[in-house]
Amino acid sequence: NAGVTQTPKFQVLKTGQSMTLQCAQDMNHNSMYWYRQDPGMGLRLIYYSASEGTTDKGEVPNGYNVSRLNKREFSLRLESAAPSQTSVYFCASSESGTGGNTIYFGEGSWLTVV
Amino acid sequence: RKEVEQDPGPFNVPEGATVAFNCTYSNSASQSFFWYRQDCRKEPKLLMSVYSSGNEDGRFTAQLNRASQYISLLIRDSKLSDSATYLCVVNYYGNNRLAFGKGNQVVVIP
Repeated sequence: NAGVTQTPKFQVLKTGQSMTLQCAQDMNHNSMYWYRQDPGMGLRLIYYSASEGTTDKGEVPNGYNVSRLNKREFSLRLESAAPSQTSVYFCASSESGTGGNTIYFGEGSWLTVV
Repeated sequence: RKEVEQDPGPFNVPEGATVAFNCTYSNSASQSFFWYRQDCRKEPKLLMSVYSSGNEDGRFTAQLNRASQYISLLIRDSKLSDSATYLCVVNYYGNNRLAFGKGNQVVVIP
C-alpha cells in the first residue's frame, strides 16, 4: 500500500533553476497539501488543495506554484529557485480537510539550492 | 506569541522511565488536537488524536486542558524505540490548516 508518494527524494539546484516536485496518493483522498520543514521550525503549509480543481495559498506560498492535476496528483513548482528554498518538502493528503481527519505524509524531498 | 509552542528538549529518558511534556497553543478557538511522531529524516506519522476527555493508547496518554490552552503527552515504560520527535499539532485556522509545533525530541537511553 503506497499511500503518498513524492519524487524526487533528493535534488540539488542552482539558484535560478526551476523544478517540479511530484506527489501522488492512492487513498482516494480529496485534500492534498505541500509543507516545508526547516531546522528549528515547525512544518509550514505552502499550498493546499481542498478538492480536485481547487488550490489555495498557505502560510508561505511565495516563490511556489501548484497544480492539482487530478484527484491523485498534486505538484509543487519552483519557478526560480533561491537558497532560502533549501528545505525538506512534504506532500500530504487527507480524506477531506484536516479537522479531525488524519493527515498522511509522503517520505519527503530534500532540496538544496546552491 | 507562536501558535503552537513546545520545548524542543532533548528529553533524555532512561529506558523504562516515564516522560511527559506539554504543548501550548494560542488560539482558544482551536478545535482539533493531535500528536504526531517523527523519526529522524522521516515523515511525521499520527501517534494519536487528543480528545477533551483525554485518551490513552497503550503506554501513551494524551490530555487536553482547554482552560490553560495546552495539551500533554505522557509515555510510560519508555522503550528505546520511542526515541523520536513528538510534534504537537493543532487545527488552528479552521479546516485545512494545521499549526505544527517544533517538536519535543525524546532520547531513550539504555
